[in-house]
Amino acid sequence: ETGVTQTPRHLVMGMTNKKSLKCEQHLGHNAMYWYKQSAKKPLELMFVYSLEERVENNSVPSRFSPECPNSSHLFLHLHTLQPEDSALYLCASSARPRTSGAYNEQFFGPGTRLTVL
Amino acid sequence: DQQVKQNSPSLSVQEGRISILNCDYTNSMFDYFLWYKKYPAEGPTFLISISSIKDKNEDGRFTVFLNKSAKHLSLHIVPSQPGDSAVYFCAASASSNYQLIWGAGTKLIIKP
Repeated sequence: ETGVTQTPRHLVMGMTNKKSLKCEQHLGHNAMYWYKQSAKKPLELMFVYSLEERVENNSVPSRFSPECPNSSHLFLHLHTLQPEDSALYLCASSARPRTSGAYNEQFFGPGTRLTVL
Repeated sequence: DQQVKQNSPSLSVQEGRISILNCDYTNSMFDYFLWYKKYPAEGPTFLISISSIKDKNEDGRFTVFLNKSAKHLSLHIVPSQPGDSAVYFCAASASSNYQLIWGAGTKLIIKP
């Protein structure tokens, strides 16, 4: 496997279910990100992990719980979601976000299409 | 309030012609700008970027122009090819921050 992979690619869940999204990067990066993309809206950054430490949490509801056990893996645990949480969830990775004034490009996985019934 | 705006949800261009995608921003602290391209069922892929110390960056058929006084950037694709049909996202970053702030995207359709 190369690049950034995400599983599952599609997920349908009820509001009372608990599920997890998984992201794995094979690029040797040390920063990982979760984004939410709703229809016709900008990508919304949810969480950033740098060197396995959470450095950003953009006021995301507690029903979304991230976990970064090591620099290659990132999880998003989901519980008691709402129908409005239905969206494409994208994982990305990069070298440390800013070095020497340049911005380190983020590499994205294919996303998980989540539907909450 | 959106800090990065792509006001055209879609754009249709004849194959071989120039495609011009526009992006406006409001935060004067942004100092790095990127364009990403996204095909259906795939994640966004990086296309080209520009630092605020430059006003132009070129890579093959793709050129990004930055007008800091107008807080405007544009992506030019010439000549446009059918494989360029995708959604294009503009994103911006400030030195002090990890975050990329994204526009809502413009769907580019290249007509044969």
